Amino acid sequence: DAMVIQNPRYQVTQFGKPVTLSCSQTLNHNVMYWYQQKSSQAPKLLFHYYDKDFNNEADTPDNFQSRRPNTSFCFLDIRSPGLGDAAMYLCATSRGLTGFTNEQFFGPGTRLTVL
Amino acid sequence: EDKVVQSPLSLVVHEGDTVTLNCSYEVTNFRSLLWYKQEKKAPTFLFMLTSSGIEKKSGRLSSILDKKELFSILNITATQTGDSAIYLCAVVLTGANSKLTFGKGITLSVRP
Repeated sequence: DAMVIQNPRYQVTQFGKPVTLSCSQTLNHNVMYWYQQKSSQAPKLLFHYYDKDFNNEADTPDNFQSRRPNTSFCFLDIRSPGLGDAAMYLCATSRGLTGFTNEQFFGPGTRLTVL
Repeated sequence: EDKVVQSPLSLVVHEGDTVTLNCSYEVTNFRSLLWYKQEKKAPTFLFMLTSSGIEKKSGRLSSILDKKELFSILNITATQTGDSAIYLCAVVLTGANSKLTFGKGITLSVRP
């Protein structure tokens, strides 16, 4: 089945230790998104790629970076995780074709714990 | 600033009750409105609404959009314990990137 896959599902890291979360998709969608969701809050968009075109949200901290080496994969790098970065990180995709109103398909998320 | 407001923030009902969840929005460049259900995992898609006054229905769930008054409602009839979840409303803005602006979500608890 076509889907959005995130690995790992649970990640524990130490304060300040870099961590990379990965997302892959078999939907062949143009757009991939990374969201941060803290407890009892709505998902907050960090950035998204339209194909290779990177779009950063204005309030996304510099500590968060992303890479999209090909259509299928997108990575979220947290360079120096702080305690406040503990959250669920959601990857989503959409077709993103002009003129279409496309829903986003979400992966299962990676829950990040920072010790 | 684009804003999506959901109400109530939380709701407790008993099985068999009917609930109405509200979502209002103030955004520039509205394209469509989405409803998602989120249990202890990623959001799952429920409905996409683009046109006013056309009800979307899926089993016991239905939703409608009012683009004049800038709101949408999600109705759940004959609620079941499996309906317990957070219900997220999100607005899609125009542009090819289909960015979503989410509301804070409504936590629905259905008691047996």
